[in-house]
Amino acid sequence: DVVMTQTPVSLSVAIGQPASISCKSSQSLVGTSGKTYLNWLLQRPGQSPKRLIYLVSKLDSGIPDRFSGSGSETDFTLKISRVEADDLGVYYCLQGTHFPLTFGSGTKLEIK
Amino acid sequence: QVNLLQSGAALVKPGASVKLSCKASGYTFTDYYIHWVKQSHGKSLEWIGYINPNSGYTNYNEKFKSKATLTVDKSTNTAYMELSRLTSEDSATYYCTRSPDYWGQGVMVTVSS
Repeated sequence: DVVMTQTPVSLSVAIGQPASISCKSSQSLVGTSGKTYLNWLLQRPGQSPKRLIYLVSKLDSGIPDRFSGSGSETDFTLKISRVEADDLGVYYCLQGTHFPLTFGSGTKLEIK
Repeated sequence: QVNLLQSGAALVKPGASVKLSCKASGYTFTDYYIHWVKQSHGKSLEWIGYINPNSGYTNYNEKFKSKATLTVDKSTNTAYMELSRLTSEDSATYYCTRSPDYWGQGVMVTVSS
């Protein structure tokens, strides 16, 4: 199975400051189609996960452009340019290239 | 709008089975796979498998092949997951998700005598 290693485990960020989360996969996530099926999800406290980004860098509908995704092959990053109070929760990366699909262990974002 | 409505919380005895439902609305049910995901308390997420509602084709995580059975009822736009021979390790919140952009609210399954 593809192992998704997320860092840091947690981070505390002041409102208006940037945040960055890393996700590294144990093998390349480039599929046979040439697409890279790397997603970022946010699970707010007491809620279901919500997808923010798919195919490495494409924002889901309604997701503010403060969020951005980048990376390739095995190394990916989620960045929040200016953290807002609503951004708190646990962020997960999810790879959909190889079966079984696998998630990162999560990064808990707290507001300082 | 897209909505996935899951059945209510379940308390089941060890060794029993439980069938969870996920009713889809707001889109064409047969156009998207339905995935199921397990989240043990306070922990990360595990992919159980998916079903193609159009063909009924399933793809399971090997870890859950003898545990979970995925089915659909196209007439009611509902996906089901049956979990069998339950143990305390199966106590968790289970989510259905559409491919995986939209998620159900989750259902907590507690296995206890």
